[in-house]
Amino acid sequence: DAKTTQPNSMESNEEEPVHLPCNHSTISGTDYIHWYRQLPSQGPEYVIHGLTSNVNNRMASLAIAEDRKSSTLILHRATLRDAAVYYCILLNSGGSNYKLTFGKGTLLTVNP
Amino acid sequence: KAGVTQTPRYLIKTRGQQVTLSCSPISGHRSVSWYQQTPGQGLQFLFEYFSETQRNKGNFPGRFSGRQFSNSRSEMNVSTLELGDSALYLCASSRVGDGLANTGELFFGEGSRLTVL
Repeated sequence: DAKTTQPNSMESNEEEPVHLPCNHSTISGTDYIHWYRQLPSQGPEYVIHGLTSNVNNRMASLAIAEDRKSSTLILHRATLRDAAVYYCILLNSGGSNYKLTFGKGTLLTVNP
Repeated sequence: KAGVTQTPRYLIKTRGQQVTLSCSPISGHRSVSWYQQTPGQGLQFLFEYFSETQRNKGNFPGRFSGRQFSNSRSEMNVSTLELGDSALYLCASSRVGDGLANTGELFFGEGSRLTVL
């Protein structure tokens, strides 16, 4: 199964950009890269996902390396509400027999 | 639009007992998946149900089981509880389709926190 590797923790200042990396060197061609975040005492919340091309939405941007062995979640201007654990997840789209692989997550601290 | 509802939110059991957790997905979502979250192992996939059928299962012992009803509500059961089963159990639902990869988004509940004494 493909696995992901993320730094245990990162720190940022408010209103500065944050780049959260994820390594997935054994990713397969049918694995989608998903990012979720989990605030304290809440269930995970969807952030963004992509397959090969970079993606943008109102919450963040996802930059995917050309070889797809790594990706970076970009928060353009961190706020205190962005403090959470961020998970990089691979979802294999192989028909109905998909598989999920969770990273350990990165704890993001945002300083005021 | 109501979110994913999990009950109970908190429960305490003793070793050897069994427990049943419930998950009501977002209306119209037919896929329901379950996850175990612990400080040591992080988030681990348990199983996923779609239209009352289990489509995939993670690497958990047979003591962990689940089912889905015709209204898409799902339950998971853990029998012969062990101390190591203490965890936050999360449920997520997603839209109809070929599964999670095609819908792009999982909607999680707030979880059921199980403590085994």
